[in-house]
Amino acid sequence: GENVEQHPSTLSVQEGDSAVIKCTYSDSASNYFPWYKQELGKRPQLIIDIRSNVGEKKDQRIAVTLNKTAKHFSLHITETQPEDSAVYFCAAAPPEYGNKLVFGAGTILRVKS
Amino acid sequence: DVKVTQSSRYLVKRTGEKVFLECVQDMDHENMFWYRQDPGLGLRLIYFSYDVKMKEKGDIPEGYSVSREKKERFSLILESASTNQTSMYLCASSSTRGGGTGRTYEQYFGPGTRLTVT
Repeated sequence: GENVEQHPSTLSVQEGDSAVIKCTYSDSASNYFPWYKQELGKRPQLIIDIRSNVGEKKDQRIAVTLNKTAKHFSLHITETQPEDSAVYFCAAAPPEYGNKLVFGAGTILRVKS
Repeated sequence: DVKVTQSSRYLVKRTGEKVFLECVQDMDHENMFWYRQDPGLGLRLIYFSYDVKMKEKGDIPEGYSVSREKKERFSLILESASTNQTSMYLCASSSTRGGGTGRTYEQYFGPGTRLTVT
């Protein structure tokens, strides 16, 4: 079955710097890759996603890149702000899993001001 | 806006008790999920339901059961709570609308229930 590995487990950056979180997946048939953000004490919420027919997607300060050959995808946050501090989860959607997602273990991002 | 609610934010139960966690969504979503969230382990799927009365085991179903008698409601049951079931439990829902490259997988989460078993 699909396995998603996420690195690093924790990441500290200075306000204004960039942050990159990487995920690898094992099932080459996976075709959808979302990123969820969970602020302290709150529910996870989708922040950006990418489908397998696209290599990169941007939304203001966040972007996601996908390398299907290497089976990895990354979240890039530029000009980090304190409100970016949260736990970030990547996920993959193998077609054979129906509507389920397989999540990574999460990355705790701390933005120091 | 999609709204997913859970019956309790915090719950304390004793070992051996039967525990019910309820989840309700108001967007007519076909799919509903129960996850367990533990530090360093991410979101692990306990059970999944794709229709009323239909369910599938997830990655960690042992010690849990579920019930979906109505489309909007998905219940997680701990038949005999144990201390290793102390955790944060998150419910989610999603739609199956769309197909092919337009398929929507986005999951909408509830606020979570912090369960402590003593």
